Amino acid sequence: AQTVTQSQPEMSVQEAETVTLSCTYDTSESDYYLFWYKQPPSRQMILVIRQEAYKQQNATENRFSVNFQKAAKSFSLKISDSQLGDAAMYFCAYRTNYGGATNKLIFGTGTLLAVQP
Amino acid sequence: DTEVTQTPKHLVMGMTNKKSLKCEQHMGHRAMYWYKQKAKKPPELMFVYSYEKLSINESVPSRFSPECPNSSLLNLHLHALQPEDSALYLCASSQDYFTSGERYEQYFGPGTRLTVT
Repeated sequence: AQTVTQSQPEMSVQEAETVTLSCTYDTSESDYYLFWYKQPPSRQMILVIRQEAYKQQNATENRFSVNFQKAAKSFSLKISDSQLGDAAMYFCAYRTNYGGATNKLIFGTGTLLAVQP
Repeated sequence: DTEVTQTPKHLVMGMTNKKSLKCEQHMGHRAMYWYKQKAKKPPELMFVYSYEKLSINESVPSRFSPECPNSSLLNLHLHALQPEDSALYLCASSQDYFTSGERYEQYFGPGTRLTVT
């Protein structure tokens, strides 16, 4: 069975600084997706970034980028130029990607990010 | 339109009450999900409907009764709940459940905050 681990329950960053959130996972599969979801106090889960395991290039979405290390089973999220609106709970999630698989998400335990002005 | 809507935003109910949560999407998605989320925890999958049929029930107590009247609408009927059922209830939808791939990611609604007194 696949598992996702986020070892940092809480993190803090100064506004305009850079922060990296860690995520490791365990799987025997070779094709899968990894996601970072953001859940601000407004509660809505928002997809921040996705990475397909077969793509070697690290995904980037504006100030958000990932460091995907497939062999190490590591998927960290880097937030550059942090803004007050980045304060939220961040969940790392895994989803398999082979034919016949389901769309079930496996979530990590989350990292609560605080942004200090 | 990539929006999933949920009503009500907040709900307070007694242990003897009957209430319903509602979820709606107009993205043409054929899979809809209910999740339960406790504070600072990841969402836990409760039910999945695929093409309006209940496909997954993650051993949820019978005091929670899901219903999918049509492909755009998902309800969660609540009866005789316990205080430990107080949580954020999230709805999500995706193109399909029994298929993986980039086009099948889940879109989440803002949730209903349920308090059982």
